Amino acid sequence: GAGVSQSPSNKVTEKGKDVELRCDPISGHTALYWYRQSLGQGLEFLIYFQGNSAPDKSGLPSDRFSAERTGGSVSTLTIQRTQQEDSAVYLCASSFGGGRNQPQHFGDGTRLSIL
Amino acid sequence: DAKTTQPTSMDCAEGRAANLPCNHSTISGNEYVYWYRQIHSQGPQYIIHGLKNNETNEMASLIITEDRKSSTLILPHATLRDTAVYYCIVRVTVDSSYKLIFGSGTRLLVRP
Repeated sequence: GAGVSQSPSNKVTEKGKDVELRCDPISGHTALYWYRQSLGQGLEFLIYFQGNSAPDKSGLPSDRFSAERTGGSVSTLTIQRTQQEDSAVYLCASSFGGGRNQPQHFGDGTRLSIL
Repeated sequence: DAKTTQPTSMDCAEGRAANLPCNHSTISGNEYVYWYRQIHSQGPQYIIHGLKNNETNEMASLIITEDRKSSTLILPHATLRDTAVYYCIVRVTVDSSYKLIFGSGTRLLVRP
């Protein structure tokens, strides 16, 4: 079946611009997670959705970052006034429920480059 | 958070078993051990997870010690396509969030 889909796969933008990254989770998965991976760094948690609500936003690095999820499905991660340190691969994952016994399945990410 | 310790790198010969160790001495009784791998330019791929018992699926086997303080991921017949970074993760629960906390992982090189 279809996996987690992310778009665009690559995004290059100028410093100061806003960007929107999209995630289509696996059909039927109620839990959705955003992570990011900077060059040479590990994966860093950003935000978790259960349905349309976000019980854990603790990983968002600044108020320039926001995310929403509508219809319990598609999620959008928005970065306003991008900075060079925002350059990273942004990964989305989904799971059937948010329980500790439910594996998260990842997309291949959006590679964001800020010039 | 329960932390994990893995060797930085390992290698094995193609066709042989790859045994990747992980220490998680502070694991709590209800925390699962998860294994993921990441091949260059791809998102992490789920491999297997377990709580207490050993687990096996089409990709690998997971052996968890009786005291649950360590585990081993076994790829029974490694192929060149198994070259990747392997992450051992203890699934924590914080404020009803089951986020994954990734460490540095083990870089596995499968040699021809």
